[in-house]
Amino acid sequence: LAKTTQPISMDSYEGQEVNITCSHNNIATNDYITWYQQFPSQGPRFIIQGYKTKVTNEVASLFIPADRKSSTLSLPRVSLSDTAVYYCLVGVINAGGTSYGKLTFGQGTILTVHP
Amino acid sequence: DTGVSQDPRHKITKRGQNVTFRCDPISEHNRLYWYRQTLGQGPEFLTYFQNEAQLEKSRLLSDRFSAERPKGSFSTLEIQRTEQGDSAMYLCASSPRGAGNEQFFGPGTRLTVL
Repeated sequence: LAKTTQPISMDSYEGQEVNITCSHNNIATNDYITWYQQFPSQGPRFIIQGYKTKVTNEVASLFIPADRKSSTLSLPRVSLSDTAVYYCLVGVINAGGTSYGKLTFGQGTILTVHP
Repeated sequence: DTGVSQDPRHKITKRGQNVTFRCDPISEHNRLYWYRQTLGQGPEFLTYFQNEAQLEKSRLLSDRFSAERPKGSFSTLEIQRTEQGDSAMYLCASSPRGAGNEQFFGPGTRLTVL
């Protein structure tokens, strides 16, 4: 699985947009980019997944440039409850939409939202 | 609550004892995963089941670790002769076919080995 690099920590304030960028220079053709969120003493929670261009759901947007060597998770108008660790992962998904199993997590980005 | 449950939530044991954890995945999910997470680190993959078949095991899963998923439903993770280095959060996740990299994690079992 391609290694990812993301900032160790970020700070923001309530109501601001937060962008967390992840580098994955060795991403392979069949790799998808996935982001998870984790609160203390809880399991990670899936946020969003994409292959290229832009993906948006009810909680976040994922921007992926044409070369796919990086991606940016965008959280609009964060609140205190968005304080968490955010993980960027890449992993293979086959044509049937099924992954090949394990996820490889890095250290993640600790996002702290201030009042 | 993702629908994945784990039991117990906390376990304190003495070095050398055996412990067993249980995971109940979302019922229609055929894939089940175990991860281990230590403080300040992301989860590390341990093993993966598709139905009752154990398809992959990490090198982290030493001979003291064994996992089963009889009948493709719940799963158990057993650690024999626990060591202090086994202290961690043990996470279970499940996913249905075609879910891509979306896995549904349980709340974890916090193991403390004294």
